[in-house]
Amino acid sequence: GQQVMQIPQYQHVQEGEDFTTYCNSSTTLSNIQWYKQRPGGHPVFLIQLVKSGEVKKQKRLTFQFGEAKKNSSLHITATQTTDVGTYFCAGGTGGFKTIFGAGTRLFVKA
Amino acid sequence: SAVISQKPSRDICQRGTSLTIQCQVDSQVTMMFWYRQQPGQSLTLIATANQGSEATYESGFVIDKFPISRPNLTFSTLTVSNMSPEDSSIYLCSTDRGNTEAFFGQGTRLTVV
Repeated sequence: GQQVMQIPQYQHVQEGEDFTTYCNSSTTLSNIQWYKQRPGGHPVFLIQLVKSGEVKKQKRLTFQFGEAKKNSSLHITATQTTDVGTYFCAGGTGGFKTIFGAGTRLFVKA
Repeated sequence: SAVISQKPSRDICQRGTSLTIQCQVDSQVTMMFWYRQQPGQSLTLIATANQGSEATYESGFVIDKFPISRPNLTFSTLTVSNMSPEDSSIYLCSTDRGNTEAFFGQGTRLTVV
């Protein structure tokens, strides 16, 4: 079935370093969404990308959607301790379901 | 945005018993989704609930084990039946607004002993 692979599984960074997580789908997606889940919390929506090659920015966060609409990335510039959490991508299948990636857990050392 | 109130936030249950989790949305929504999340893992979709029709279950999940109700456009329940320790997990309800962003309840952390 459809799968969304996400890497890395976890990453440790020093505060101020950059961080990137990648998602790759086995099939073309209608859209991709990104969520952040703080430890003990629930997933919170960050952004949705719909167009091929789309790039969106939110302050220090940059989101990209690949030309083939099969892959996506989230890049955080100059991480801060408040960035700690797990980042999930979720691929829209064109229907009403989304398929979540495994998540990348980010640890930031002050 | 949509606000979803989910309860209970956590529970410890005896094996063989059942627990019903409730989600209340602050506005009418067409689709509601129930997920399970093992600690440190991703979200696994259990079922999709439409108002007025039977829920659609994903592979590996059955109605007898996870009955779902959707009596109106703002409310849904998920029951975890005949629980065993393997059912210990976080259960999350969510909804979306026409296949855009998803809003999640706060989650129910279930421990079966």
